[in-house]
Parts: sequence; C-alpha cells; structure tokens
Amino acid sequence: AQTVTQSQPEMSVQEAETVTLSCTYDTSESDYYLFWYKQPPSRQMILVIRQEAYKQQNATENRFSVNFQKAAKSFSLKISDSQLGDAAMYFCAYSRETSGSRLTFGEGTQLTVNP
Amino acid sequence: NAGVMQNPRHLVRRRGQEARLRCSPMKGHSHVYWYRQLPEEGLKFMVYLQKENIIDESGMPKERFSAEFPKEGPSILRIQQVVRGDSAAYFCASSPLESGANVLTFGAGSRLTVL
Repeated sequence: AQTVTQSQPEMSVQEAETVTLSCTYDTSESDYYLFWYKQPPSRQMILVIRQEAYKQQNATENRFSVNFQKAAKSFSLKISDSQLGDAAMYFCAYSRETSGSRLTFGEGTQLTVNP
Repeated sequence: NAGVMQNPRHLVRRRGQEARLRCSPMKGHSHVYWYRQLPEEGLKFMVYLQKENIIDESGMPKERFSAEFPKEGPSILRIQQVVRGDSAAYFCASSPLESGANVLTFGAGSRLTVL
C-alpha cells in the first residue's frame, strides 16, 4: 500500500521569506502523480501544484515549486516570497496512474506566516 | 460553472440517528470521490463512484456507511446509527475522467457533529 509521510506537523516563516515543506512517500509503482493541496481555515481543499513522476523537470507555479527526487521518493514544496495568505494546512498527496484519481494524503503541515 | 457543491455544510446528529450528505459534482464530471477528515488528520479515501456504479469502496467502513451516485441527482453518503467517532469533515471531489492524472476538484466539505 502507498503511504505518504509529512514529518513536519508545524512550520513557520516570516513574510517575504522562503520556506520548504517536506514530504516522502512509499510506492512500488513507476508511474504516478504527486500533489500539494492547501487547506486554509475555510477548509476548502485547493490544489497548489502537481508533478508527474515520469517528468524529471520539477513543477513550478508562480511562487510555488517542488523538488522531486524520484529515487529518494521525496517531494518537497518550496514557497518563495511567503505571503500572509499562504498560511494554511498543506497536504502532500499521491495518486497512482490507474487508481482513478484516488489520492493518498499525508497528515499535513500547518504553515504559519509571521508579519 | 458552480464547482462541486456539498450540502449541508454543517450537520448535527444525536447518536443513533442517520446522516445524509449530498454532493453534486462539477458539470461534466462523472466520477465522484468521498473522503473523510477526522480532527487534526489528513483526508482518508472512502469511496469512488461513477454514475450508478460503485467502483471502489475499500476505504469505507463495512457497516453503517453506504454511498450512491444515481443516474439523476447528487451523490449521497449515508451514515446510519451515527456514533461520536463519525464526527468529522466529509469531503466530496469530482473528476471528468478515471485517470490518476486528473486533478480532483473538491467541495467545501460537510462537517458532521454527533452529540
């Protein structure tokens, strides 16, 4: 069974600084997808970024980028120029190619942004 | 495009009562997923449905829980004889296709409180 581990229950960052959230996963599959979702206090799940395992290039979305290390099964999220609106719970998630988009989530990292 | 609509947003039930949670997927989406989020935890997959079919219910408790996605109308997650441990946020998500490559669009969740 696939597992996703987020070893940082809480992280904090100063506004305008950079922070990296860690995620590791375990799978025997070669084709899969990795995601970071954000859950603000409203509890709405919002997609931040997606990575296809067959792509070596790290995904980037504006201030958000990932460091995908397939051999190490590591998928960290870097937030640059942190803003107060980035404060949220961040979840790393895994999906197999053939799983019908079923996601396995990590336990989450609560990010605080200090002004 | 109204997104994934869940109702009710908040539901309070006494132990032993029934809870019904409804989910209308995004227009054009025929795949629906239900996830449960217990307090201070990540989301856990419960069930995956297509119209009139349950594709995967491996994450759903065998007793008291059921789900359906009829040909017409919303998907329903039904919890019979609720217990305090059922108190959680229940999220519905939808996608247009089966592939794990697809990004799930989440609803805002239904928070169930069992007294």
